[in-house]
Amino acid sequence: GAGVSQSPSNKVTEKGKDVELRCDPISGHTALYWYRQSLGQGLEFLIYFQGNSAPDKSGLPSDRFSAERTGGSVSTLTIQRTQQEDSAVYLCASSSRDRDYSNQPQHFGDGTRLSIL
Amino acid sequence: QKEVEQDPGPLSVPEGAIVSLNCTYSNSAFQYFMWYRQYSRKGPELLMYTYSSGNKEDGRFTAQVDKSSKYISLFIRDSQPSDSATYLCAMLWGSNYKLTFGKGTLLTVNP
Repeated sequence: GAGVSQSPSNKVTEKGKDVELRCDPISGHTALYWYRQSLGQGLEFLIYFQGNSAPDKSGLPSDRFSAERTGGSVSTLTIQRTQQEDSAVYLCASSSRDRDYSNQPQHFGDGTRLSIL
Repeated sequence: QKEVEQDPGPLSVPEGAIVSLNCTYSNSAFQYFMWYRQYSRKGPELLMYTYSSGNKEDGRFTAQVDKSSKYISLFIRDSQPSDSATYLCAMLWGSNYKLTFGKGTLLTVNP
């Protein structure tokens, strides 16, 4: 079956612009995660969705970052007024994790490579 | 001290060699241990997923967890040039969901 799909694969934008990154998880996966991968920092957790709700937004770096998920499927990560330090690869993962079930492995998309000029 | 430590390498080996990749961790609550492989400009691909201590084998890959030493390993037998990638260890505890990653080890297998 299809894996996690992310778009765009690459995004170059000017400092101060807003960007939207999209994630389409594996069909049937209720849990969705956003991570950021940057040189020197490795992979860092941003936000977790269970269904359409986000019980944990603790990894979002600032209030310029927001995310939503609709229909228990597609998620969008929005970065407003982008800064150069936002340049990174933004990765989305999904899993079949339920609230009361043991952890299921997270499967990743290929990410969006964001460059802020 | 970082929660998960992983030697970034780079590690270069000849084709056919046995490769050993390792991570240490400080959080004794970690229960789930994973190894991901990441090719250049691709997302991490799950290789191995283990719960608690012990060994798990899948083809040429063996994952080993030693909770008493807080040490995990991934062994690759008969390494191939196609194994050249960055290998990331990752961990979870209990009902948590935030993967904690090592920084990754860059492996090159030379033909």
